[in-house]
Amino acid sequence: AQTVTQSQPEMSVQEAETVTLSCTYDTSESDYYLFWYKQPPSRQMILVIRQEAYKQQNATENRFSVNFQKAAKSFSLKISDSQLGDAAMYFCAYHPGGGADGLTFGKGTHLIIQP
Amino acid sequence: EAGVAQSPRYKIIEKRQSVAFWCNPISGHATLYWYQQILGQGPKLLIQFQNNGVVDDSQLPKDRFSAERLKGVDSTLKIQPAKLEDSAVYLCASSLDWLAGVNTEAFFGQGTRLTVV
Repeated sequence: AQTVTQSQPEMSVQEAETVTLSCTYDTSESDYYLFWYKQPPSRQMILVIRQEAYKQQNATENRFSVNFQKAAKSFSLKISDSQLGDAAMYFCAYHPGGGADGLTFGKGTHLIIQP
Repeated sequence: EAGVAQSPRYKIIEKRQSVAFWCNPISGHATLYWYQQILGQGPKLLIQFQNNGVVDDSQLPKDRFSAERLKGVDSTLKIQPAKLEDSAVYLCASSLDWLAGVNTEAFFGQGTRLTVV
């Protein structure tokens, strides 16, 4: 079974600074997808960024980028120029390459933005 | 485009009572998921539907939980009888069609917060 580990229960960063959230995962698959989701107090999970395992290039979405290290099974999220609206729970998630199975989530990292 | 709709937003029941949650996915989405999110944890998949068929319910406690997706659109998740440990947020999500190899984003609803007392 796949597992996703987020070792940072809480992170704090000053507004406008950069923060990196860590995620490691375990799988025997070679084809899979990795995601970072943001969950604000409204509880709705919002996709931040996704990475296909077959792509060597790290995904980027505006201020959000990932460092995908396939051999190390590591998938960290970097948030640049942190904004107050970035404050939320962040979940790393894994999905196998095809077929059934939903997302496997980590336990989450609570990101605090200091004004 | 309307998002995934869930109701109710909050529910408080006593243990051994029954409760039902409703989900309306995004129009045209073939795949629908129910997740359970216990406080302080990430969501855990309970059941996955492809149209109106179940493709994965391996983590659904079938002695008390049931789910259906009639006509391949709306879905209901029921708990009967509820236990204290069922207190959680129940999230519904939908995506275009995972099984067809179309690996699309899963869109989530705002969830139902269930408290069992």
